Amino acid sequence: GQQLNQSPQSMFIQEGEDVSMNCTSSSIFNTWLWYKQDPGEGPVLLIALYKAGELTSNGRLTAQFGITRKDSFLNISASIPSDVGIYFCAGQQNFGNEKLTFGTGTRLTIIP
Amino acid sequence: EPEVTQTPSHQVTQMGQEVILRCVPISNHLYFYWYRQILGQKVEFLVSFYNNEISEKSEIFDDQFSVERPDGSNFTLKIRSTKLEDSAMYFCASSSTVATNEKLFFGSGTQLSVL
Repeated sequence: GQQLNQSPQSMFIQEGEDVSMNCTSSSIFNTWLWYKQDPGEGPVLLIALYKAGELTSNGRLTAQFGITRKDSFLNISASIPSDVGIYFCAGQQNFGNEKLTFGTGTRLTIIP
Repeated sequence: EPEVTQTPSHQVTQMGQEVILRCVPISNHLYFYWYRQILGQKVEFLVSFYNNEISEKSEIFDDQFSVERPDGSNFTLKIRSTKLEDSAMYFCASSSTVATNEKLFFGSGTQLSVL
């Protein structure tokens, strides 16, 4: 099946630092999405990307859809304590098909 | 913001028992999904449901699994005879269309523990 590999697996950063994580796949995806999951909760959509090369921001978050359609990155600027959680990328291969393939996740921990 | 509601939040069962996980999707949504997440692992697609039938299912969704929309509001996942490896967090999700820019809303999940 399709695999989305995220790196790094975990990050320990100081509050105020910028964060960068990425997601790669051996398959092409036509939509890339980034989700955040807090403990005991379901994933919450942060950013959605629909075109190769697209760069989209949502507050302190910026994400890009790679030109090859096989990768995406997420940046968080000036991290704050509530950014703690697990970040998942997810891809959709087919337009009109909402099945999501999730990445392996990046666990973000912020050191006060 | 509208919510997908799942009950129970935790379910403990003995191996071999049947369980039913319940979901109330957002009221005007038409597409419904179940995903699961084994502890410490990624979220995996199980099944999608539209117009009272399964539209897609994964390899995980074998004959032990079934879904149903018994009335206008509930969407259920039944596991007929649970196995130890069914222990996971099960997430229900819904969306109003399958347009690429349509948001998928996830519930808070049901933690299933099979003993």
